[in-house]
This record gives sequence, structure tokens and C-alpha cells, in this order.
Amino acid sequence: GDSVTQMEGPVTLSEEAFLTINCTYTATGYPSLFWYVQYPGEGLQLLLKATKADDKGSNKGFEATYRKETTSFHLEKGSVQVSDSAVYFCALSGSDDKIIFGKGTRLHILP
Amino acid sequence: GAVVSQHPSWVICKSGTSVKIECRSLDFQATTMFWYRQFPKQSLMLMATSNEGSKATYEQGVEKDKFLINHASLTLSTLTVTSAHPEDSSFYICSATRRGDSHEQYFGPGTRLTVT
Repeated sequence: GDSVTQMEGPVTLSEEAFLTINCTYTATGYPSLFWYVQYPGEGLQLLLKATKADDKGSNKGFEATYRKETTSFHLEKGSVQVSDSAVYFCALSGSDDKIIFGKGTRLHILP
Repeated sequence: GAVVSQHPSWVICKSGTSVKIECRSLDFQATTMFWYRQFPKQSLMLMATSNEGSKATYEQGVEKDKFLINHASLTLSTLTVTSAHPEDSSFYICSATRRGDSHEQYFGPGTRLTVT
């Protein structure tokens, strides 16, 4: 079945560092891909999405490109802030519109 | 727009009792609502999918008699955990899709259930 694999955390970085969180997927067909963010004590928020190959999703300085050839959707940000500390979930949505989540990556940004 | 609320945000109940969690779409009509369960430091696991006016579809391994889902209107779905036990303690999250955009789900803030 469909699945999402993302790098395990926690990831700890200093403020203004470059961030990459790896995500790969397996799926039949052409899924939509998402990154969700969960801030402490809050629910999930959609961070960005891409619906077809080579699409780039971007929001709040974060970017991810839908790479069909490598079945990847890595999350990147050029300069992280303390306020980016959260748990990040990579996810896909297939033909049945159900969302499959990765296990989440906890990110800590140190001032 | 596309705000989903849950009530209560946290609840403590005694073993053997039942507890109801509400999920509401505040500013849109939700054609489909989903219920997830999240264990500490783990991912969200889909429990069931519900469409307004029809029976919920449960994922494999989820007891439908224990987790009763009702989707009575286009803005409200409820999850009732019946005869709760400590192992049912978890974070329950709902989401909703709106008419014309079934690919994007809008998530509620979650309800933390603790069964003592």
C-alpha cells in the first residue's frame, strides 16, 4: 500500500541555519503531496502542497519539490527561526482522498 | 476560511464511561469528515471516514462498536468512545474536506482524552 517515510528526529539547528527534512513516498498512481506542521499544543496546519510532478510548493520560506523520478518531496528552508520549532509531517493523498502521514520530524531551533 | 473546531479540547473520564467528541466546520460545509488518532510522538492514524447522512467507513482494526461516529449534518460530526479504557487515552483529531476540493483536509485542534 501507499506509504510515506521521513527522516527521524529530533532535528536541532541553530537560528539562521539551513534546513532539510527528507521525505520519500511509495504510491500507485499520481498522489498529491503535502507538508503539515504541528506547533506545540496546536492542531495540524497545511504548510505547503504539490499536486503533480515537478510542482514546487512554498510557504513561509519553506519549499518542497515533487520529484517523481526519486519519489521524494524534501522540505527545505534557507534560514530557520526559533518560531519554526514544531513537528513536521510529510503526507500524501491518493485517489481515494485519504491522507497517509509520515511519522513526523520534531524540529528544535536554538536561539 | 476553512476553520474546524473540536470540543472539548481535553477530557478526563473514568474507565467504563463513554465520552463524546464534537467536530465542527465553522465556515464551510464539510462533505467528508475524517477521524484520526495520534499516539505520543507518533503519526496520525486514520480511524474512519464519514459522509453526511451515511454510515462511517472504518479502517481495518478499528472497532466500530467502540468508536461510534455520527455525521448528522454538513457541519458536525461526533465521535463517541464507548466504555472507555485507559488504552483509549490518546489525542483524537478530526479533519474535513469541503465541497469541490476533496484533496485538501482542514484539521481541528484535537482533543486529548485521558481515561483513568
